Amino acid sequence: QEQLVESGGGLVEPGGSLRLSCVASGFSFSDYYMSWIRQAPGKGLEWVSFISGSGSTIYYADSLKGRFTVSRDNAKNSLFLQMTRLRADDTAFYYCARSGWLTEFDFWGRGTLVTVSS
Amino acid sequence: DIEMTQSPESLAVSLGERATINCKSSQSVLYTSNNKNYLAWYQQKPGQPPKLLIYWASRRASGVPDRFSGSGSGTDFTLTISSLQAEDVAVYYCQQYHTIPPITFGQGTRLELK
Repeated sequence: QEQLVESGGGLVEPGGSLRLSCVASGFSFSDYYMSWIRQAPGKGLEWVSFISGSGSTIYYADSLKGRFTVSRDNAKNSLFLQMTRLRADDTAFYYCARSGWLTEFDFWGRGTLVTVSS
Repeated sequence: DIEMTQSPESLAVSLGERATINCKSSQSVLYTSNNKNYLAWYQQKPGQPPKLLIYWASRRASGVPDRFSGSGSGTDFTLTISSLQAEDVAVYYCQQYHTIPPITFGQGTRLELK
């Protein structure tokens, strides 16, 4: 059974850092592009980052201005998001989702909540 | 960037009635080389992640009831629920994957029971 399980969220002070993880199971992880998508409480969906199966192609939303870094470890079926210089407006549920190249997000994890507050 | 605009922002429909949600892209999401529209629809219920309903603008994802249908081409798209069920109460999002980055979503349409 396919699964994506995010972890690593929590409460962090403004200016702090956090590393999110997403562990995949039930499918061939390295065959898929993976994305992080976030959703502020009560708000819509915002794409954050995208990484190819090999990790050679990476994109970020312009709004992140270099604060976030995505990576993956295919040997551990894991996707990561290193978040630095966190701000209050980074508060959101962070979902990992899989896709192909120029395809839909066909499967999503349940998300992990990041709260940036003093 | 391709901007996605949904209408209406919210919608109240009676059980068994038709629900229609619109999505407009600021640029065409149709690739003429393969005649595919690079557009998807998602359903998100409270406390749950989004779930894929429709891809390539009109193809239902696995397990999606046939009361859900997608139509449109180019810049104008529609998600239709032919006969609303109570379990269809949710927020619905469109998304384009034609030109990335960025991957962009509509702002969402909240569907409620009348």
